[in-house]
Amino acid sequence: KAGVTQTPRYLIKTRGQQVTLSCSPISGHRSVSWYQQTPGQGLQFLFEYFSETQRNKGNFPGRFSGRQFSNSRSEMNVSTLELGDSALYLCASSSIGGDPDEQYFGPGTRLTVT
Amino acid sequence: AQSVTQLGSHVSVSEGALVLLRCNYSSSVPPYLFWYVQYPNQGLQLLLKYTSAATLVKGINGFEAEFKKSETSFHLTKPSAHMSDAAEYFCAVSDQTGANNLFFGTGTRLTVIP
Repeated sequence: KAGVTQTPRYLIKTRGQQVTLSCSPISGHRSVSWYQQTPGQGLQFLFEYFSETQRNKGNFPGRFSGRQFSNSRSEMNVSTLELGDSALYLCASSSIGGDPDEQYFGPGTRLTVT
Repeated sequence: AQSVTQLGSHVSVSEGALVLLRCNYSSSVPPYLFWYVQYPNQGLQLLLKYTSAATLVKGINGFEAEFKKSETSFHLTKPSAHMSDAAEYFCAVSDQTGANNLFFGTGTRLTVIP
């Protein structure tokens, strides 16, 4: 079974631009969560989608948004990029999305904002 | 609110020595607790999880952790360190609301000395 895939793996953007990151969960998984990892703040939860609905949201500004498609693939978008948005963005999928389930993480997208 | 504290951002052990990585949690409800490992330029891999079944949890690669409610701890141990264990380790907590949002500790980088 293929693992969680994230595209692109690396991205360089300029301040003020917007960016879209993609995550394909493990086949059959319906829950997708997104995390931001930075040296200063560590791993922080962005949001979770389950069956195309945002079920939970972390403490990030509205510039960070996401969506999930009917095939469970998910995208996250960051508008008006700031230097502080430079980070590794990880997505994780889990099967039933019920009780906190084992999450399988992708390799991440490393975003650099210049 | 849930949170975890990992004591020691860097731990060094000799090959063959005991590995002990510390994690204390704070949770207003019975928690789910996890240990993840991250190798360079990779996503996170689940080592083990506690979900209120047995208090001693065995995971992959010879790791185990013991849930101690009285001490609010979930320390990770391995009897004999291998060179391949060198990585960053994250403790995480989630509640039982049915949402897959994890609260991560700041991580502990394990170095194994040959």
